[in-house]
Amino acid sequence: AQSVSQHNHHVILSEAASLELGCNYSYGGTVNLFWYVQYPGQHLQLLLKYFSGDPLVKGIKGFEAEFIKSKFSFNLRKPSVQWSDTAEYFCAVTPNYGQNFVFGPGTRLSVLP
Amino acid sequence: DAGVIQSPRHEVTEMGQEVTLRCKPISGHDYLFWYRQTMMRGLELLIYFNNNVPIDDSGMPEDRFSAKMPNASFSTLKIQPSEPRDSAVYFCASSSLAVNTEAFFGQGTRLTVV
Repeated sequence: AQSVSQHNHHVILSEAASLELGCNYSYGGTVNLFWYVQYPGQHLQLLLKYFSGDPLVKGIKGFEAEFIKSKFSFNLRKPSVQWSDTAEYFCAVTPNYGQNFVFGPGTRLSVLP
Repeated sequence: DAGVIQSPRHEVTEMGQEVTLRCKPISGHDYLFWYRQTMMRGLELLIYFNNNVPIDDSGMPEDRFSAKMPNASFSTLKIQPSEPRDSAVYFCASSSLAVNTEAFFGQGTRLTVV
């Protein structure tokens, strides 16, 4: 069965610090990969997605992620975080023949002003 | 399209009562998912449908939970009888394999069972 792990449960950063959130998945076939963000009290919204092509994917709000197939990883990065990035971040995977989205446990990001 | 629409947004009910949560997916999407989110357990997939047919309900916690999708534009998640430990935010999401989209989430229903 597919599974997704996220390296950190809670990350605390100061504004302007760089961010990297780890995500690893276990699945032997071809996958589609996603990062979602959930702001406090809101629903999950898509940050970025990878289906094929360039493994470096750029998303909204300055976020990017890199798919490294050999490492089964899809880490999320942002060079300089803002207080408004405080939220929970979820990595998700689905096999590209189907749509049973599997989400990681989430990483809570707190950005200190 | 208005996105995935869930109702009600908030529900407070007494233990033992029946609760029905509703979801209208995005038109044309052939997958529908029900998730439950709590502080303790995070985001859990309860069940998902493809073309109105339940594909995987292994995440449904127990027989008190049931889900239906009578047509492509409507799904319900029912809890009968409800218990305090069912208190959570329930999200519905939909997606389309044909156009290979991400899952689009509704605003969620915050359920409180007292």
